[in-house]
Amino acid sequence: EIVLRQSPATLSLSPGERATLSCRASQSVSRYLAWYQQKPGQAPRLLIYDASNRATGIPARFSGSGSGTDFTLTISSLEPEDFAVYYCQQRSNWPRTFGGGTKVEIK
Amino acid sequence: VQLVESGGGVVQPGRSLRLSCVASGFTFGTTAMHWVRHAPGKGLEWVAFIWFDGKNENYADSVKGRFTISRDNSKNTLYLQMNSLRAEDTAQYYCARDLGKGGYFDCWGQGTLVTVSS
Repeated sequence: EIVLRQSPATLSLSPGERATLSCRASQSVSRYLAWYQQKPGQAPRLLIYDASNRATGIPARFSGSGSGTDFTLTISSLEPEDFAVYYCQQRSNWPRTFGGGTKVEIK
Repeated sequence: VQLVESGGGVVQPGRSLRLSCVASGFTFGTTAMHWVRHAPGKGLEWVAFIWFDGKNENYADSVKGRFTISRDNSKNTLYLQMNSLRAEDTAQYYCARDLGKGGYFDCWGQGTLVTVSS
């Protein structure tokens, strides 16, 4: 099973600041990695797939990069609605696995 | 596009439960589907996958042999039969549509809560 480790566990930032979230895989997943946003009491929302492709309707301030084992989700300028938990997920191998999440909180 | 889960509830360890997910707004019969769960205080966990025609399935090791995913394309409905339930199966269960690449989830239901407790 591919293990995905996300860092940091918590990111404390102010609106308008840049957020950089990391996801590291235990083995190469090529570019088969996605990012999701989840707010309390809501289902997750797909943000990025195949490492850098924005899903339908996702604002341009969200961007993804990386390949192999190291990936980054960047939020260029945090909006109030961006404070949430973010998960990475791989589809390279079965079982599909998620990282443990990064909580982006208001500083 | 809408996915609506039902069937959750409180169940004793060792008992069974069947979840349903009714899909609308897209061509369900040509779309692969998944179940994903979120246990309290934990991260997301992929549970099961089924191909559009029901002829290919895959399961997380934690549920293999106990859970069965199935679908009825004539009813636009996805199912998860859960047997031999354990306390660690307690979670919010989501059905999710496959993006079309065999493993990303681009549309989610609101979830149904399963609590396994004596």
